[in-house]
Amino acid sequence: QVQLAESGGGVVQPGRSLRLSCAVSGFTFGSYGMHWVRQAPGGGLEWVALISNDETKKYYGDSVKGRFTISRDNSKNTVFLQMNSLRPEDTAVYYCAKDRGWGISVAASYFNSWGQGTLVTVSS
Amino acid sequence: QSVLTQPPSVSGAPGRRVTISCTGSSSNIGAGYDVHWYQLLPGTAPKLLIYGNNNRPLGVPDRFSGSKSGTSASLAITRLQAEDEADYYCQSYDSSLSGYVIFGGGTKLTVL
Repeated sequence: QVQLAESGGGVVQPGRSLRLSCAVSGFTFGSYGMHWVRQAPGGGLEWVALISNDETKKYYGDSVKGRFTISRDNSKNTVFLQMNSLRPEDTAVYYCAKDRGWGISVAASYFNSWGQGTLVTVSS
Repeated sequence: QSVLTQPPSVSGAPGRRVTISCTGSSSNIGAGYDVHWYQLLPGTAPKLLIYGNNNRPLGVPDRFSGSKSGTSASLAITRLQAEDEADYYCQSYDSSLSGYVIFGGGTKLTVL
């Protein structure tokens, strides 16, 4: 059974940093791309980032480009999201999600398994 | 403002049929990129309902179906059940300057 479990959320001041983790099980982690998707309170889904199965390709949404970094450790079945220079508008539930394939072609991406999310609140 | 436009809400009585539209443009759905649909229930992980415009993952009931034409796509739910009350999102890809993965604004389905 595929399982994804996010952690690392919390309350952080504007301008500070936070690192999210997503531990997965139930599938061959190193064969799939992984995404982060967020949902602001009362808002819709927003795609954040994608990392390919072998880390050679990384893609970011415009609103986080240059501030967030996605990475993964295939030996630990974990994907990370390093969030720097946080802003109040980054407040959201952050979901990690499994890509349908290697994650090399973002145009072909969709998310066939999701975690339950971790809440990040950026506030002074 | 989402690149893909969905109605904020739809409703239907148990046993009836509802459709949720997802309208895009020539840089996303109209360019031939696939549309996928997700169901969000409070307190649970989002769930993939439809992939590749009209394909159901294993375990998704055949009451759910998807279609695509031109610059739009639709999700149809037949034989409505109380447990279908949830938020639904379409997703695709956009090839414009602000491109990459895009979502619709989401539609709240109320089962009357």
